[in-house]
Amino acid sequence: GEEVAQTPKHLVRGEGQKAKLYCAPIKGHSYVFWYQQVLKNEFKFLISFQNENVFDETGMPKERFSAKCLPNSPCSLEIQATKLEDSAVYFCASSHELPNQPQHFGDGTRLSIL
Amino acid sequence: DQQVKQNSPSLSVQEGRISILNCDYTNSMFDYFLWYKKYPAEGPTFLISISSIKDKNEDGRFTVFLNKSAKHLSLHIVPSQPGDSAVYFCAASGASGANSKLTFGKGITLSVRP
Repeated sequence: GEEVAQTPKHLVRGEGQKAKLYCAPIKGHSYVFWYQQVLKNEFKFLISFQNENVFDETGMPKERFSAKCLPNSPCSLEIQATKLEDSAVYFCASSHELPNQPQHFGDGTRLSIL
Repeated sequence: DQQVKQNSPSLSVQEGRISILNCDYTNSMFDYFLWYKKYPAEGPTFLISISSIKDKNEDGRFTVFLNKSAKHLSLHIVPSQPGDSAVYFCAASGASGANSKLTFGKGITLSVRP
């Protein structure tokens, strides 16, 4: 499609439960990025993919967080054993090529941990 | 340590006048700079970008200026319109694909008064 599609828009989980977020990049874009917005105006990079390969995972928490981009499927970000501090808006972005090409963002998934 | 700084949290301008949004960065490895506009409950929307080999890039009402020696960039919006009211984020990335993750500033809220 012409837009980055993220689902669901809002996800509510009890502490300790698993959360899984999905992202369909713009058609033809090879690169996918995940960002976490915890405080209203602060974005934190998590991980990026080039097609199905991890490109940069330097921002990914070592425990509980995992991500995949498989052929012919939406990319996913999974959080095991969620904690209250995982409550955030998670944005996915895609880019046609790198470097020096803009990343285009989806509308995010708001994750609320109760 | 914040590598991209937007020191003014808000700006209010009259419709039809110029809006000037400023951004400073500290990392000399940044090579590509972008401005995004964000409405509540939506993802950041790409506005305009500039690479470090240029000092100006223009797209309609939006112009970005880059002063590499001062590590400073600015976004000019002329003329400002009420629909421009939003949060504006400055972002930067490195020169190579491996440094393509975006580092964001904290944003500035622009209000355009009718």
